[in-house]
Amino acid sequence: AQKITQTQPGMFVQEKEAVTLDCTYDTSDQSYGLFWYKQPSSGEMIFLIYQGSYDEQNATEGRYSLNFQKARKSANLVISASQLGDSAMYFCAMREGSNNNDMRFGAGTRLTVKP
Amino acid sequence: ETGVTQTPRHLVMGMTNKKSLKCEQHLGHNAMYWYKQSAKKPLELMFVYNFKEQTENNSVPSRFSPECPNSSHLFLHLHTLQPEDSALYLCASSPTWTGPSAAYGYTFGSGTRLTVV
Repeated sequence: AQKITQTQPGMFVQEKEAVTLDCTYDTSDQSYGLFWYKQPSSGEMIFLIYQGSYDEQNATEGRYSLNFQKARKSANLVISASQLGDSAMYFCAMREGSNNNDMRFGAGTRLTVKP
Repeated sequence: ETGVTQTPRHLVMGMTNKKSLKCEQHLGHNAMYWYKQSAKKPLELMFVYNFKEQTENNSVPSRFSPECPNSSHLFLHLHTLQPEDSALYLCASSPTWTGPSAAYGYTFGSGTRLTVV
């Protein structure tokens, strides 16, 4: 069964505007972690932000914030003030406490920032 | 330059060749991973090593053979591959998960782009 779902294969955003990338997840664990990664064309996966299942506040890291809605099992990434360098693939991932050796990834969203 | 280094960056090999991918990290992490990233598919976990011991093998064909001589190095030995094995192979490392909701994201290398002809 798909654990991580990213329903947007591609997204466009105007430079300097904010954009939200969707992610929903499926788990029966109480303890889990949610992650977002950025993959530019070079191939490297860059860690952006983390949200723990017990964290009550939404995570923020600079221009990145994670809109965590636990009851809906969603963990959307919000990028504020988009820059041209933000154009990349973005992956949502989850690591469950009961199977912590296996980080599951979604299919990804390709974000293109337009000048 | 990330803390995880993968070599080579690109590899083209015939179906009868034998080659190896190398991954190295000096971050003090105890867990290392191989992932396969094919076009239009989610990343697939292949192997997991914790403290040099293999703890996960996600039904990977035997033509892929991992080796972890120490906590800093991880290899993926390849032999008699098929064209459908062409993909980006990513290595990652992390501290071993030690508690609930541990914020231990993975550090990835830049990957090896493998083409099987």
